[in-house]
Amino acid sequence: SQTIHQWPATLVQPVGSPLSLECTVEGTSNPNLYWYRQAAGRGLQLLFYSVGIGQISSEVPQNLSASRPQDRQFILSSKKLLLSDSGFYLCAWRQGDGYTEAFFGQGTRLTVV
Amino acid sequence: QQPVQSPQAVILREGEDAVINCSSSKALYSVHWYRQKHGEAPVFLMILLKGGEQKGHDKISASFNEKKQQSSLYLTASQLSYSGTYFCGTELPGDAGNMLTFGGGTRLMVKP
Repeated sequence: SQTIHQWPATLVQPVGSPLSLECTVEGTSNPNLYWYRQAAGRGLQLLFYSVGIGQISSEVPQNLSASRPQDRQFILSSKKLLLSDSGFYLCAWRQGDGYTEAFFGQGTRLTVV
Repeated sequence: QQPVQSPQAVILREGEDAVINCSSSKALYSVHWYRQKHGEAPVFLMILLKGGEQKGHDKISASFNEKKQQSSLYLTASQLSYSGTYFCGTELPGDAGNMLTFGGGTRLMVKP
């Protein structure tokens, strides 16, 4: 069966510090991978998605970046965090052939102080 | 472009019904529905792929009106466990299987 791992679960970082969130999927190959951000009490904002290694589509201009160095690994990064980067970050995967639901990781709650 | 959900919040008594709407300004390929409990990951409820398609899951069902570019989620005889935030996710033709964008969510609270 497929599983998705996302870590860390919680993170408190000072303004201006770097960020690296990692997400890995097991039990499938060539998944589509997604990063979403959820501000407190708000909706799911699509940040990045990837349909293959090295292929990243960005939906929102910001100081975040994403990389997919391996088929089942998706990394969200920032060189310098802003207060507005605080939120609940969710990684998700889907089969790449369409018609399928998204499976979400347990999320990382990031607080920038 | 994000779909628009309405209402933003609903408070129900156990056993009452609710309808959550999701609309798009663009033609849709598919509509997904998810439920998220506080602090947890969203969990998939159902996906609708064709105009006119309707699906059900226990006492939760949904319809997809392709012409109106909207979908509705129906919660019948609500239970306490239905509480949470409901999200619709949409895919556009040409982006099917790739980009999946979500609405702002509808917070549903079911009280005893």
